[in-house]
Amino acid sequence: NAGVTQTPKFRILKIGQSMTLQCTQDMNHNYMYWYRQDPGMGLKLIYYSVGAGITDKGEVPNGYNVSRSTTEDFPLRLELAAPSQTSVYFCASSQQARAFFGQGTRLTVV
Amino acid sequence: DQQVKQNSPSLSVQEGRISILNCDYTNSMFDYFLWYKKYPAEGPTFLISISSIKDKNEDGRFTVFLNKSAKHLSLHIVPSQPGDSAVYFCAASASRGTTSGTYKYIFGTGTRLKVLA
Repeated sequence: NAGVTQTPKFRILKIGQSMTLQCTQDMNHNYMYWYRQDPGMGLKLIYYSVGAGITDKGEVPNGYNVSRSTTEDFPLRLELAAPSQTSVYFCASSQQARAFFGQGTRLTVV
Repeated sequence: DQQVKQNSPSLSVQEGRISILNCDYTNSMFDYFLWYKKYPAEGPTFLISISSIKDKNEDGRFTVFLNKSAKHLSLHIVPSQPGDSAVYFCAASASRGTTSGTYKYIFGTGTRLKVLA
């Protein structure tokens, strides 16, 4: 019973590089989310999606892009990595109010 | 602008006693509230939730109280156990007036609970 799976678990990027954080869920949930958590802070919503083909900005979308071509997958794209994007990224999915989270991706930009 | 606030970064409680974690919110459109628990190097896991039509929800050792007039909710853990030591996040969403079933969760900054054996 996989739930929400994120890859990779860890990544170090150089400034200006790009990468995609992968997220997939096997619960057939319509709603998916990307959050980031900075040290000592709560989770900030980056982007969310209410279904395949529909995405919208959250609280902190600058520097990120998303797509939702299937119900299962919701990748997060960083085009030009900056040190301010050093954080732990969590993907989540939900069908109603309760969200299920992945294990997180720890990203360091140097 | 922090819409969901957890003003206590940390809390220590003796095993067997009650733990009370507090959360305040500013947005009167919030109508659903959740508590998540997070261990190091893991994603948050759902603990308990409450709708704005209720003022109390109970699940085993965990009870959440909602005071809408004060825009305040609290999580009570009784009795506290060492395994409860974790970071607890309060989250809120406003589903009214949005695309049906859309839940945009806004999280607080978390309270680190340490239960002492």
